[in-house]
Amino acid sequence: NAGVTQTPKFQVLKTGQSMTLQCAQDMNHNSMYWYRQDPGMGLRLIYYSASEGTTDKGEVPNGYNVSRLNKREFSLRLESAAPSQTSVYFCASSETLGRREQFFGPGTRLTVL
Amino acid sequence: GDSVTQMEGPVTLSEEAFLTINCTYTATGYPSLFWYVQYPGEGLQLLLKATKADDKGSNKGFEATYRKETTSFHLEKGSVQVSDSAVYFCALSDDYKLSFGAGTTVTVRA
Repeated sequence: NAGVTQTPKFQVLKTGQSMTLQCAQDMNHNSMYWYRQDPGMGLRLIYYSASEGTTDKGEVPNGYNVSRLNKREFSLRLESAAPSQTSVYFCASSETLGRREQFFGPGTRLTVL
Repeated sequence: GDSVTQMEGPVTLSEEAFLTINCTYTATGYPSLFWYVQYPGEGLQLLLKATKADDKGSNKGFEATYRKETTSFHLEKGSVQVSDSAVYFCALSDDYKLSFGAGTTVTVRA
């Protein structure tokens, strides 16, 4: 099993460009998450999906959109990238919501110039 | 809201030294507590967890005890190795998300 996979691993964008980060899990988990990691701030939740067909905002949703394409896949879209969105993005999944262990992907390092 | 405070780094140790990373939390309910580890260039991996007061989580020589009276979940290892060099995150979960501390960078020198 691959666990949680993310593409791409690295990306450089210019201000105003758009892109979609892809995430897939093969553990048959119901819940999926997108976090961003910034130095000295730990990880902050952007959006999450409790189950297929539902999505909800996390702590820092502004400037992002998400799509839960099916049970396996959860994508994050930046419609008009800004330098403040330079970060490392992690996708995670868990069996369900609640006090559950989350499994993380390897991350996407995004730089917006 | 829920929050986690963990000791600032970086921490530099020699092999076989004792490691402690302090973590305290604020939560309205009865959260589950976690320690995650991030090795260079990788995603986060669960190191250990505890789901209720007085539970002790342990893995790979690391231990942490859920102390409700002091709202703490300190991470300890008795004898560190170079391979333990990583960033360690304390986290809590009481509903739908994990709330993370800022992370502590640990470097172990041979």
